[in-house]
Amino acid sequence: AQRVTQPEKLLSVFKGAPVELKCNYSYSGSPELFWYVQYSRQRLQLLLRHISRESIKGFTADLNKGETSFHLKKPFAQEEDSAMYYCALRAGGYNKLIFGAGTRLAVHP
Amino acid sequence: DTAVSQTPKYLVTQMGNDKSIKCEQNLGHDTMYWYKQDSKKFLKIMFSYNNKELIINETVPNRFSPKSPDKAHLNLHINSLELGDSAVYFCASSQGSPQYFGPGTRLLVL
Repeated sequence: AQRVTQPEKLLSVFKGAPVELKCNYSYSGSPELFWYVQYSRQRLQLLLRHISRESIKGFTADLNKGETSFHLKKPFAQEEDSAMYYCALRAGGYNKLIFGAGTRLAVHP
Repeated sequence: DTAVSQTPKYLVTQMGNDKSIKCEQNLGHDTMYWYKQDSKKFLKIMFSYNNKELIINETVPNRFSPKSPDKAHLNLHINSLELGDSAVYFCASSQGSPQYFGPGTRLLVL
């Protein structure tokens, strides 16, 4: 079964604290994983894709095939990071994206 | 320049009505999608078209009918609207990967 699990609905931290948003996936093929971010009442924006192996806005994510995880990390959270974060799995030849339920990150001053 | 645009941004209507949402992309992508984001913020794909051909059709009530007049446009028509159709509908497009999303259409059925 193809599935993306984000176990935390809400992650609440203080500014400057480290952040880790968890994502686990279930997929029999070779996975392609993404993190999308949705700021309040805005469109989803691509944040990271695992094949790029880059850091965007201080966020990084490493694909761990052994643990079937793609956790999103940032060493020092900023208030402007407050948003909804979705982990997504590209499944199948038709580029279908399967989304996790999302994690709301709230960064407090 | 907006890459993926949707109209209208907000749609408030009565149960039983028929409504359409339009999506246009100027990225030259071959593939377009419709997603539904429910009140719990869960996102699920509904349809996908590639070069005007339907390629993904998830278990969506047949009251929902997508139409792609050309590869830059994908419209969503909804017949006999129900309360449960209230959601934010996102259009997206891609050329392979990744997908780029529109701003969403917030539909409220009263």
